[in-house]
Amino acid sequence: DTEVTQTPKHLVMGMTNKKSLKCEQHMGHRAMYWYKQKAKKPPELMFVYSYEKLSINESVPSRFSPECPNSSLLNLHLHALQPEDSALYLCASSPGQGSYNEQFFGPGTRLTVL
Amino acid sequence: QKEVEQNSGPLSVPEGAIASLNCTYSDRGSQSFFWYRQYSGKSPELIMSIYSNGDKEDGRFTAQLNKASQYVSLLIRDSQPSDSATYLCAVRGGSNYKLTFGKGTLLTVNP
Repeated sequence: DTEVTQTPKHLVMGMTNKKSLKCEQHMGHRAMYWYKQKAKKPPELMFVYSYEKLSINESVPSRFSPECPNSSLLNLHLHALQPEDSALYLCASSPGQGSYNEQFFGPGTRLTVL
Repeated sequence: QKEVEQNSGPLSVPEGAIASLNCTYSDRGSQSFFWYRQYSGKSPELIMSIYSNGDKEDGRFTAQLNKASQYVSLLIRDSQPSDSATYLCAVRGGSNYKLTFGKGTLLTVNP
């Protein structure tokens, strides 16, 4: 199994809603990532988890809250988002966090904030 | 601040031709180099990784790395319309191990 899966594929939410994005991998990878990608731009790193501990937070607003319940799962909790947060949210994983580790992306969740 | 620059594109080649995609990076301590392919509306797909100077071939794809010139390229031989996508160069290592992406080059292969 060489897949990273993400649910839901699409999400529409209002600015007062609370929702969660989910990511799962069964490759035994110990590093997992959340990225945000706007149209015609490269992915932007948001968070990195290594061995289920948050190791990097790229100064992301607190309305985004990551969680890593176990080594296979990664969640992103969303609350009080703004329309400018509409984007493709990508989860990725790699065997470890070191430079030589390849990162594999999931299919993404297309988020629209109304 | 690490920077990764890609040729601006869009790049258009006829079917069967060689497509050449280029990337330069600013951090001389960078250690690993990746090419991702991203179809419109889809997520990035890793197609090549390269860590040492020289060429690395995988099917129709060849990645070339020259650390002295801080340059990495991707050649696609016998280009097919299905290769039409945005190609993202990504670099890691050096001052931090964050994966830094270029802005991408849009490749169109014309039948």
